[in-house]
Amino acid sequence: DGGITQSPKYLFRKEGQNVTLSCEQNLNHDAMYWYRQDPGQGLRLIYYSQIVNDFQKGDIAEGYSVSREKKESFPLTVTSAQKNPTAFYLCASSIATGSSYEQYFGPGTRLTVT
Amino acid sequence: AQSVAQPEDQVNVAEGNPLTVKCTYSVSGNPYLFWYVQYPNRGLQFLLKYITGDNLVKGSYGFEAEFNKSQTSFHLKKPSALVSDSALYFCAVRDPTGANNLFFGTGTRLTVIP
Repeated sequence: DGGITQSPKYLFRKEGQNVTLSCEQNLNHDAMYWYRQDPGQGLRLIYYSQIVNDFQKGDIAEGYSVSREKKESFPLTVTSAQKNPTAFYLCASSIATGSSYEQYFGPGTRLTVT
Repeated sequence: AQSVAQPEDQVNVAEGNPLTVKCTYSVSGNPYLFWYVQYPNRGLQFLLKYITGDNLVKGSYGFEAEFNKSQTSFHLKKPSALVSDSALYFCAVRDPTGANNLFFGTGTRLTVIP
């Protein structure tokens, strides 16, 4: 999983609570990404950031928020507005936003909301 | 719009036999294609990519992929499967309009039978 850490590995929350997932990288990468993985649906992009203090919505941003105050960190908040938050969340980074750069993934956080 | 299709949810192969995991894509412009592997409850690991040049791309762990422009395919191959290759495999295509965002297929579960 390279130099990307996600914590915690497992997270349990009650419905109606906001929860923040941590993502840190020590690869000196400019770009960072959040994906959501559900069984049989592959990965879907939630948010991405090309540079500090800038981020863009992905395909399924509703009910989520992010910040990018430091190059190394890209936390994701799952708000109570997210209708179906239980999923496996993956953070990724890449050197830059050039077309040939592969993304490196963290180990993921499995969120369960009851 | 760009998309990736992995037509097989599950592929079974006997240990020592060659394996193929299929991927077809649809994208405007030149395709930038990637293969990732995911082991249970882990993040994705980069295997290989096609950007330009030779249609046969070699990657990690003995895997290779063949780019076929006329068939819009990028199938993953390995000459001799190992039990440890059993995992979930994802094909991805870069979004030509976005910041290196990747569109993922739904994944193919490979099981290598001893």
